[in-house]
Amino acid sequence: DAGVTQSPTHLIKTRGQQVTLRCSPKSGHDTVSWYQQALGQGPQFIFQYYEEEERQRGNFPDRFSGHQFPNYSSELNVNALLLGDSALYLCASSLGVGHPQETQYFGPGTRLLVL
Amino acid sequence: SQQGEEDPQALSIQEGENATMNCSYKTSINNLQWYRQNSGRGLVHLILIRSNEREKHSGRLRVTLDTSKKSSSLLITASRAADTASYFCATGTYTGGFKTIFGAGTRLFVKA
Repeated sequence: DAGVTQSPTHLIKTRGQQVTLRCSPKSGHDTVSWYQQALGQGPQFIFQYYEEEERQRGNFPDRFSGHQFPNYSSELNVNALLLGDSALYLCASSLGVGHPQETQYFGPGTRLLVL
Repeated sequence: SQQGEEDPQALSIQEGENATMNCSYKTSINNLQWYRQNSGRGLVHLILIRSNEREKHSGRLRVTLDTSKKSSSLLITASRAADTASYFCATGTYTGGFKTIFGAGTRLFVKA
C-alpha cells in the first residue's frame, strides 16, 4: 500500500520564478492538503482539495494556487517566488473532507530553496 | 497563524524517563492530533482524539483532552533515544472543509 508521495524531493529556484510541486495521495484517499513549514516552525496550512475543488484555505496570498486531478493527485503552484517562500512543502492525504476520523497521512515533503 | 501552542518548547530527558508535552488552543475543535517529525522530514501521525473523548492510549503514548480548558497533553512513557524528535499538536476544525492548524512544536531530546 503506497503512502503519500511527493515530487521533487528538492528544488532550487530564483526569485520571481514559478514552481510546481506534485503529490499523490495514499491509496483510497480522496482529499489532499498542502502545508508550508519554515525552518524551526510548525507546518502552516495552505489549502485543502476535495472533489477537485479548493475547500479550505489558510492565510496565503493568491500566488499560491493548486489543482486536484480526477485521480485525486494534486499540484501546488507558487508564482513570483520570494526568498521567504523557501521552506519544506508537505502534502497530506485523508479520507473525505468531513470525515470524523480525519487522520492525515503526510508525504516526505519537497524542500524548496529560493535564491 | 498558529492555533496550538506547545509547552515546553524544548525538553531534554534521560532514557527511561517519561516525557510530557502540553498543547493549548484557542477555538472550538472537532479533533486534535499529535504528530512526530524527525529532523525536518515528513510528519508521522501518532494519535487522534476527538472532541468528545477525554483520553486515548496507543502503546507508550497517552493523550488527554480537556475541551473546557482548551488543552491537551501527550505523555510518552519509558522514553527511548529513538523518541528524539519534534512533536506537534494539530487542531482539526470542520467548516465546509477540514482545516488543520499546527502549533510550533516541542523539541524532545532523549539522552541514552
